[in-house]
Amino acid sequence: NAGVMQNPRHLVRRRGQEARLRCSPMKGHSHVYWYRQLPEEGLKFMVYLQKENIIDESGMPKERFSAEFPKEGPSILRIQQVVRGDSAAYFCASSPPPGIGQPQHFGDGTRLSIL
Amino acid sequence: QKEVEQDPGPLSVPEGAIVSLNCTYSNSAFQYFMWYRQYSRKGPELLMYTYSSGNKEDGRFTAQVDKSSKYISLFIRDSQPSDSATYLCAMTSGNTPLVFGKGTRLSVIA
Repeated sequence: NAGVMQNPRHLVRRRGQEARLRCSPMKGHSHVYWYRQLPEEGLKFMVYLQKENIIDESGMPKERFSAEFPKEGPSILRIQQVVRGDSAAYFCASSPPPGIGQPQHFGDGTRLSIL
Repeated sequence: QKEVEQDPGPLSVPEGAIVSLNCTYSNSAFQYFMWYRQYSRKGPELLMYTYSSGNKEDGRFTAQVDKSSKYISLFIRDSQPSDSATYLCAMTSGNTPLVFGKGTRLSVIA
């Protein structure tokens, strides 16, 4: 299966800890997108990355959240000093070049729970 | 006015019925339109991808885009219980992030 792979599927953290979510795009896809899904809220865009570049982070909270997509390895969404409100499902999607406008394929998400 | 409006349902239909799912939008710059299906505890699965106005058919699914009315539709023919899921519309201008509707929950009853 060469689909978008996300891990872990479930992540539990206590308030104040750090959460790291990983995403490996589909083979041949060089563009990665992160979304957050809250119950009854729908999918909300967070950030769009290419290898070693952040293209659009207009949906990222200004503090505690960061994302990267290094030359080697998966894309990482990092949440520092987590709070209860960070509990959500986080989805990663990937698309082929040239990026936005191309069909995006999603992973099965990471469900983050904050105690 | 929200950028993308989608009736959340729930929508319940008997097996074999034709299902019509719809979204309206306000941004006339949107050109790329997608429909996703999401089962519980899973990620969205791309069903249909269309550019600009017109129809596109794939098996039991037909997507329609009417840019003049800012209205898109997904039709499911001969609906099956396995079609029970949440259906999400999504769209972009090609230069801005994908914007999603909140999803319509569909139940197909055997």
